[in-house]
Amino acid sequence: QQKVQQSPESLIVPEGGMASLNCTFSDRNSQYFWWYRQHSGEGPKALMSIFSNGDKKEGRFTAHLNKASLHVSLHIKDSQPSDSALYFCARASSSFSKLVFGQGTSLSVVP
Amino acid sequence: EAAVTQSPRNKVTVTGGNVTLSCRQTNSHNYMYWYRQDTGHGLRLIHYSYGAGNLQIGDVPDGYKATRTTQEDFFLLLELASPSQTSLYFCASSDATGFYAEQFFGPGTRLTVL
Repeated sequence: QQKVQQSPESLIVPEGGMASLNCTFSDRNSQYFWWYRQHSGEGPKALMSIFSNGDKKEGRFTAHLNKASLHVSLHIKDSQPSDSALYFCARASSSFSKLVFGQGTSLSVVP
Repeated sequence: EAAVTQSPRNKVTVTGGNVTLSCRQTNSHNYMYWYRQDTGHGLRLIHYSYGAGNLQIGDVPDGYKATRTTQEDFFLLLELASPSQTSLYFCASSDATGFYAEQFFGPGTRLTVL
């Protein structure tokens, strides 16, 4: 099975700071990626998707994809305490829209 | 936004016990999925379905059965529960009109097998 590796496992950033989360994948045929966020006690919710090389910005969130280096990242600008959550990247499959998830990054934003 | 509900929210059983986890989605999505979430592993796909009566095997199917009785309802069955199945279980749905459609998750069921 094609794997997705996330780093770091956990991250602490000050309120107002920049959080950077990373993901590497092993399949050069991977086309489409999602970032999901899971607050404590809830199910994951989709943040954004990316399928083209380069940056995609949605509000304070910017995803970056580099297929040549098998790397996708998420950057959160002006981090807020409400951004504290578990973040997953996921590689999407065209077959049944299946997802292969990374192991997650726990983000804590401290005042 | 898609509504996915799960029941029960918490369940405790003993080794060898019989457990059924239920999932219902109310947006007529074609695709439904069962995942387990464990620290250090993220979410792993157990079984999935693209319609009533259909079942597809996921990446970690051993010890689990599933059944999709209607467009809305998807069940996960553990017929001889083992402590290794202690986990947080999520159901998700997707309309998959595009190949890479978003999945919508339920709130989860925490299962403990003693």
